[in-house]
Amino acid sequence: NAGVTQTPKFRVLKTGQSMTLLCAQDMNHEYMYWYRQDPGMGLRLIHYSVGEGTTAKGEVPDGYNVSRLKKQNFLLGLESAAPSQTSVYFCASGGRTASSGANVLTFGAGSRLTVL
Amino acid sequence: GNSVTQMEGPVTLSEEAFLTINCTYTATGYPSLFWYVQYPGEGLQLLLKATKADDKGSNKGFEATYRKETTSFHLEKGSVQVSDSAVYFCALSDQFRSSYKLIFGSGTRLLVRP
Repeated sequence: NAGVTQTPKFRVLKTGQSMTLLCAQDMNHEYMYWYRQDPGMGLRLIHYSVGEGTTAKGEVPDGYNVSRLKKQNFLLGLESAAPSQTSVYFCASGGRTASSGANVLTFGAGSRLTVL
Repeated sequence: GNSVTQMEGPVTLSEEAFLTINCTYTATGYPSLFWYVQYPGEGLQLLLKATKADDKGSNKGFEATYRKETTSFHLEKGSVQVSDSAVYFCALSDQFRSSYKLIFGSGTRLLVRP
């Protein structure tokens, strides 16, 4: 009953360091997403994927890269971290329900990143 | 472009009070509308959804009706509990145009006091 699992849950970086956040889902969903959550701004989409081997830019993609080499995994990379990237990052996966056709997203628990 | 506007919080209520959290949207096409809830320290969970005009979504005593004429999807509950304290997000997804991406409002924090 894992759903969407994010690692790590917490990380502190220095400016200029790099890191990768891992998202894994076990629901066989086609779609996966990375959002960031900042106070008073809701969730903003960074990048997303509509299937294995595909990626696309969201609303705030600058400074991030992603890869979807396997259907169940979606990686978010920061090549050179900046203080503006201090945030809580959420991964989500989604698939259409048979009854409605609407894409219901399942979210991970979040990864809190601090860049000093 | 598509957008969602929610009432600002925090909303503070006493237990058993009536709750309304306003949500309006701007969208081209035919969006689906959602309410997600985030409890402290957790990710977002789907609370309810509606996929076409006049649909009513409901779950755990919460309700919201998709009003195309007023482009609204207000969340209501007749009697809130302390356990309902959380942040509530209104969201839309235009499934035919945007790869099912969700666009979120800024969230409304609800605090229910005993």
